Amino acid sequence: SQKIEQNSEALNIQEGKTATLTCNYTNYSPAYLQWYRQDPGRGPVFLLLIRENEKEKRKERLKVTFDTTLKQSLFHITASQPADSATYLCALGYGNNRLAFGKGNQVVVIP
Amino acid sequence: NAGVTQTPKFRILKIGQSMTLQCAQDMNHNYMYWYRQDPGMGLKLIYYSVGAGITDKGEVPNGYNVSRSTTEDFPLRLELAAPSQTSVYFCASSDTGTGGTDTQYFGPGTRLTVL
Repeated sequence: SQKIEQNSEALNIQEGKTATLTCNYTNYSPAYLQWYRQDPGRGPVFLLLIRENEKEKRKERLKVTFDTTLKQSLFHITASQPADSATYLCALGYGNNRLAFGKGNQVVVIP
Repeated sequence: NAGVTQTPKFRILKIGQSMTLQCAQDMNHNYMYWYRQDPGMGLKLIYYSVGAGITDKGEVPNGYNVSRSTTEDFPLRLELAAPSQTSVYFCASSDTGTGGTDTQYFGPGTRLTVL
């Protein structure tokens, strides 16, 4: 069966450190992978997209890697700040531009 | 641009009642989507549309209906509400297509409780 796995445990991290989140998937062949941020009571907000032929993408303090052999994406927040505290969703792009979402991974940045 | 708007923000329904969740976008996006999100779970696709007049089922369509008569609007209809439909509903649109970025823009959500 198809699965998208993100760590269900919250990641507690000290301010200034790098937070790293993992997204593993099985039985998907995504054309691209996206990461979204979701704050409590709000809709998800797009952060980064990485396509199947790309290894790494960066945007400001965010970095995403995509390994189609390992079927894994890593999402990094460098120099983390308390304002980065949120839930981060991994989403795989498949047929007809649909997205399949993971359950999300909560990040708590401790001042 | 207002982006993606959803109404209502909150609603309580009794079992067996029906209602329509409204969604509108002002970005001229062809693709629109409806998701539901249960506590601690990922977003599940209910229905999607690739353009006006074209809709298709997603992963969890049972108990719902949609229509897309205009590019801007994509209402979701619940017939005979059941407690299992208690959830937060998100509408999204996407600038998929030539020159598009394939990213989805989400509305603020509708929190629905069925008692």
